[in-house]
Amino acid sequence: GAVVSQHPSRVICKSGTSVKIECRSLDFQATTMFWYRQFPKQSLMLMATSNEGSKATYEQGVEKDKFLINHASLTLSTLTVTSAHPEDSSFYICSAGTGPPGYEQYFGPGTRLTVT
Amino acid sequence: AQSVTQLGSHVSVSEGALVLLRCNYSSSVPPYLFWYVQYPNQGLQLLLKYTTGATLVKGINGFEAEFKKSETSFHLTKPSAHMSDAAEYFCAVTPFSGGYNKLIFGAGTRLAVHP
Repeated sequence: GAVVSQHPSRVICKSGTSVKIECRSLDFQATTMFWYRQFPKQSLMLMATSNEGSKATYEQGVEKDKFLINHASLTLSTLTVTSAHPEDSSFYICSAGTGPPGYEQYFGPGTRLTVT
Repeated sequence: AQSVTQLGSHVSVSEGALVLLRCNYSSSVPPYLFWYVQYPNQGLQLLLKYTTGATLVKGINGFEAEFKKSETSFHLTKPSAHMSDAAEYFCAVTPFSGGYNKLIFGAGTRLAVHP
């Protein structure tokens, strides 16, 4: 089956610093990758959709200058949380889309970000 | 606009009992429907999906779901619960309309299995 990895799995950073999270599709090419945020005991909220080689599309209310997304290749997308604050602490999950015909998304294991 | 409603944020069953997790959706176009499972501090794992064809879909770990267009439902069932089934379950819909596979998730149902 399709495997998606995320790195790091857990990160603690100080307020004001930036953190980069990587999402890789290990055995398939993903023209589309998605970044989600999940608050404790809540559902996933889509933050943005990234397409390889183009700018990401952000959901309403998501600050694109704070959450920088780069999708430089068909197997790698990165999310950088800039000038992190404690309220950015959350569980960030990426997924990679397979496109037609099944339009499945394979999810990474998630990254727990804690900003102190 | 598309939406997903999962009735019951918490469901508790005995080991060996039937598992029924409810999901209703609204979509203006024919949807693709998914069930995912999430174990603590992990990402989501696809249990099963419906795209086209047979409305009864079988997935992994003994789960299945039936797409009922007339009821706009996609309920998840398993005949006999195992302790290892305890997890969070999410129903999701892709409003397929030409290739953009954005998933819309329900709020999730936490399944507890007790001896």
